[in-house]
Amino acid sequence: AQTVTQSQPEMSVQEAETVTLSCTYDTSESDYYLFWYKQPPSRQMILVIRQEAYKQQNATENRFSVNFQKAAKSFSLKISDSQLGDAAMYFCAYRSAERQGAQKLVFGQGTRLTINP
Amino acid sequence: SQTIHQWPATLVQPVGSPLSLECTVEGTSNPNLYWYRQAAGRGLQLLFYSVGIGQISSEVPQNLSASRPQDRQFILSSKKLLLSDSGFYLCACDRGRSNQPQHFGDGTRLSIL
Repeated sequence: AQTVTQSQPEMSVQEAETVTLSCTYDTSESDYYLFWYKQPPSRQMILVIRQEAYKQQNATENRFSVNFQKAAKSFSLKISDSQLGDAAMYFCAYRSAERQGAQKLVFGQGTRLTINP
Repeated sequence: SQTIHQWPATLVQPVGSPLSLECTVEGTSNPNLYWYRQAAGRGLQLLFYSVGIGQISSEVPQNLSASRPQDRQFILSSKKLLLSDSGFYLCACDRGRSNQPQHFGDGTRLSIL
């Protein structure tokens, strides 16, 4: 079974600075997807960014980018120019690249990110 | 794009009482539907998923059950709640294609007294 580990329960960063959140995973599969979700105090789960394992290029969404190291099974999230609205719990998630049926997500434990003004 | 409605947003129930949480989806047909539970300060645990009407798969043994009476309706139930059922319950859906992400509802915070 796949597992996802986020080793940083809490992180903090100064507004406008850059922060990196760590995620490692364990799988024997070669094709899969990785996601970062954000959960603000409102508790809604919001997709931040996703990465297909077969793509070598790291995904980027505006101020959010990932460092995907497939051999090391590492998938870190970098937030540039941190804003107060970035404060939230961040979850890393794994999903097999099944072509049909349910697409079950495996989540890490989460990292609580605080932005200091 | 899909919109997921969950209700109620918060619920306080006594131990031993029944439970019914409802999730409905708009903007897509024949979605995969999921129920997750999030304990305080922890990640999400998949409880049930459904790939079609009347088709329910359980991921963990528990006091809860799920049903899918209609294509875009997913219900989480219990006959008798336990203290350990407290938590934040999230419904999610996707279109069944692996390159499409899951979208989540706003969740239900359940407190058992």
